[in-house]
Amino acid sequence: DTGVSQNPRHKITKRGQNVTFRCDPISEHNRLYWYRQTLGQGPEFLTYFQNEAQLEKSRLLSDRFSAERPKGSFSTLEIQRTEQGDSAMYLCASSRDAQQETQYFGPGTRLLVL
Amino acid sequence: AQSVTQLGSHVSVSEGALVLLRCNYSSSVPPYLFWYVQYPNQGLQLLLKYTSAATLVKGINGFEAEFKKSETSFHLTKPSAHMSDAAEYFCAARGGYQKVTFGTGTKLQVIP
Repeated sequence: DTGVSQNPRHKITKRGQNVTFRCDPISEHNRLYWYRQTLGQGPEFLTYFQNEAQLEKSRLLSDRFSAERPKGSFSTLEIQRTEQGDSAMYLCASSRDAQQETQYFGPGTRLLVL
Repeated sequence: AQSVTQLGSHVSVSEGALVLLRCNYSSSVPPYLFWYVQYPNQGLQLLLKYTSAATLVKGINGFEAEFKKSETSFHLTKPSAHMSDAAEYFCAARGGYQKVTFGTGTKLQVIP
């Protein structure tokens, strides 16, 4: 069990640029979640996948955000035309497909939009 | 829908003193409850979870939490604070297959 990994760990970009983050879940986990955490707040849910299917999206996930999990393994989160308000820590978590299963979190990708 | 309230965004305790971090939840169904710890610039690490098996849940690093349905609370305690406990703590709730809802966090400062 190598844990959830996320890349890159840090990203600085200029407003208007596109960015893409990657999450590699724990290998046997079917469910994968994306959260966003801004300074002084708890993580807020963005979206989740069961295998390759995206089952729920938060209203926080504007049209500029898109997430994929094409083969049911790793996932990418893309933000198009970044805005300064997108600056945050983006956290990925994974879990087994069962009600009481714990979500295990990756170290996060910290995005700074200048 | 779940909501989680953590009372006190900052808590300071002396080293060796009792740690008490408060969490209340609102839910129409019995939730699964969690405490996570986050160190600076790191992801969240699970401390403990309540899944209805026992109301008193023991976690890692000497932490424990008690589920009190009548008070809709899930407070986190540790008998004796250690300097390494300084971090931010998040209470979270999940009902069934739903997403996890987090509280706003409590930063714990441990004073030598």
